Amino acid sequence: NAGVTQTPKFRILKIGQSMTLQCTQDMNHNYMYWYRQDPGMGLKLIYYSVGAGITDKGEVPNGYNVSRSTTEDFPLRLELAAPSQTSVYFCASSYPGLAGGPIVNEQFFGPGTRLTVL
Amino acid sequence: KQEVTQIPAALSVPEGENLVLNCSFTDSAIYNLQWFRQDPGKGLTSLLLIQSSQREQTSGRLNASLDKSSGRSTLYIAASQPGDSATYLCAVRRIQGAQKLVFGQGTRLTINP
Repeated sequence: NAGVTQTPKFRILKIGQSMTLQCTQDMNHNYMYWYRQDPGMGLKLIYYSVGAGITDKGEVPNGYNVSRSTTEDFPLRLELAAPSQTSVYFCASSYPGLAGGPIVNEQFFGPGTRLTVL
Repeated sequence: KQEVTQIPAALSVPEGENLVLNCSFTDSAIYNLQWFRQDPGKGLTSLLLIQSSQREQTSGRLNASLDKSSGRSTLYIAASQPGDSATYLCAVRRIQGAQKLVFGQGTRLTINP
């Protein structure tokens, strides 16, 4: 298994440009997440999804959009890039566990996308 | 609102020492707590996950404890090595269904040879 993969690894945008950060997981996980990490800080949740067709906002959703058309893919869209969106973006996935069984809920992270908006 | 704090922000110790990293959270109604390691420019690697019903978890030289009532967790690293140098993040999960994590800001650990 490749786990959680993200593309691109690095990107520089101009103010007002748009782009899509790609995230794919091959572990058949129901849950997927997008986080951003600013320098010297922990991660903050942008959006999450509990399954195909279902998405919801996290702590810092403004300026972003997501979609979840398949179990494997969870792209993050920036429509009008702003300098405040300069950050490292991480995608993660997890499996909720089987009914009646032990629930682990461990989140697995991708390597990140480093985005700079100038 | 759940807040997670890690103190100190940075720690430097000589190789071979045992050390403890601290994590505190404001809302004791958590589902689980997870410790991660992050190397510079890399993603997060899960180290240990403690369910709310557990008191501790061990993996090799790592031992994580959880005291929900006091809102605290510690990560104990035995016989530290230069390869342990990284940033260590703790995160708590608040809601069972959505599995959303709230992260601390991390402790940057340096092990000096």
